[in-house]
Amino acid sequence: DAGVIQSPRHEVTEMGQEVTLRCKPISGHNSLFWYRQTMMRGLELLIYFNNNVPIDDSGMPEDRFSAKMPNASFSTLKIQPSEPRDSAVYFCASRDRRAKNIQYFGAGTRLSVL
Amino acid sequence: GENVEQHPSTLSVQEGDSAVIKCTYSDSASNYFPWYKQELGKRPQLIIDIRSNVGEKKDQRIAVTLNKTAKHFSLHITETQPEDSAVYFCAASTWGNYGQNFVFGPGTRLSVLP
Repeated sequence: DAGVIQSPRHEVTEMGQEVTLRCKPISGHNSLFWYRQTMMRGLELLIYFNNNVPIDDSGMPEDRFSAKMPNASFSTLKIQPSEPRDSAVYFCASRDRRAKNIQYFGAGTRLSVL
Repeated sequence: GENVEQHPSTLSVQEGDSAVIKCTYSDSASNYFPWYKQELGKRPQLIIDIRSNVGEKKDQRIAVTLNKTAKHFSLHITETQPEDSAVYFCAASTWGNYGQNFVFGPGTRLSVLP
């Protein structure tokens, strides 16, 4: 298995633009997590899904952020409109709840909003 | 909700010495405690984990101890090597009504000096 796949790896955009980050979890995993990592705030959980259903989105910073998981093999995190303070590395992770609790992280998307 | 604290924030040790990183958590219902290592520019990767029904777990040079009464757990690295240099994150996980929450500590930057 190729692991958790995120795209793009790097994204540079201008303030006000829409940004869409993508994630493909490990096949067979039924939980998916979106994290944001910054120097100031560390690793923050934004939202997670179980069986494609959003369970806890209390970490989503504001209405500009939205996440979807239309099927078991794909999820998106969208920021509209983007702001410079959204600049961070965004990680996606997946887990098989039926097995161990281990979360496997993707390589991350480094977002820069100018 | 759960709150995880981690100390120290930075740690420098000489190669061959031991390193200890400590975390505390607030929710007594937390029952799973993973440790992740993140090298510069890379994704967090699980290095060891422990469940609440176990007091200690060891994997070669890495060990984790858990004190449920005091609500703290520690990572121990013996015979440190330069490749152990990274940021280490602890996390506490709790099963809620709808699934499992993960809360990460702020991280410890470990530098192993040759």
